[in-house]
Amino acid sequence: AQKITQTQPGMFVQEKEAVTLDCTYDTSDPSYGLFWYKQPSSGEMIFLIYQGSYDQQNATEGRYSLNFQKARKSANLVISASQLGDSAMYFCAMREGPGDKIIFGKGTRLHILP
Amino acid sequence: SQTIHQWPATLVQPVGSPLSLECTVEGTSNPNLYWYRQAAGRGLQLLFYSVGIGQISSEVPQNLSASRPQDRQFILSSKKLLLSDSGFYLCAWSVGGTSGRHTGELFFGEGSRLTVL
Repeated sequence: AQKITQTQPGMFVQEKEAVTLDCTYDTSDPSYGLFWYKQPSSGEMIFLIYQGSYDQQNATEGRYSLNFQKARKSANLVISASQLGDSAMYFCAMREGPGDKIIFGKGTRLHILP
Repeated sequence: SQTIHQWPATLVQPVGSPLSLECTVEGTSNPNLYWYRQAAGRGLQLLFYSVGIGQISSEVPQNLSASRPQDRQFILSSKKLLLSDSGFYLCAWSVGGTSGRHTGELFFGEGSRLTVL
């Protein structure tokens, strides 16, 4: 069964608009972590943001914020004021113990339009 | 500072040939190590991960295997490649023992692009 679900295969957003990338997860482990990574066309993986299951506040990193709704098991990434350089593949990932296994969703390809 | 290297960066192999991809981490000890595969335009599939020497967890039954002969070395192998093994292979590491405040963030290598013909 899919443990990380990203329902948006692709998105087109106008430059300077905010964008929300959806991610839902499934785990029975009370201790887990959620990540978002960006993969430009070069193939490198860039860490964006992290949310721990016990964190009380939503994580923020610059223009990135994570909308963590624990009861709904969702961890959506919000990018404010999108830029052309934000065009990339975005992956949601989850770490669950024991053993620190980290699994990824299928990704969302974001296109920022000028 | 910590660095991760994987090689080769690109390889083209015939069906049925063997495979060896190597990954080395420097500047840390007892890291968690991971191998992922990404098919063209697709997500990252976890293949193997290891929390210590000789400790390998396999996620997908297939003709690939992994070994960790040293603390900071992770090797992905196959005795006979299949066409379906083509893809972009990524090695990654994270800080071992994430029960504390470590996030478990993954640090990725540059990737190895494998084409099986």
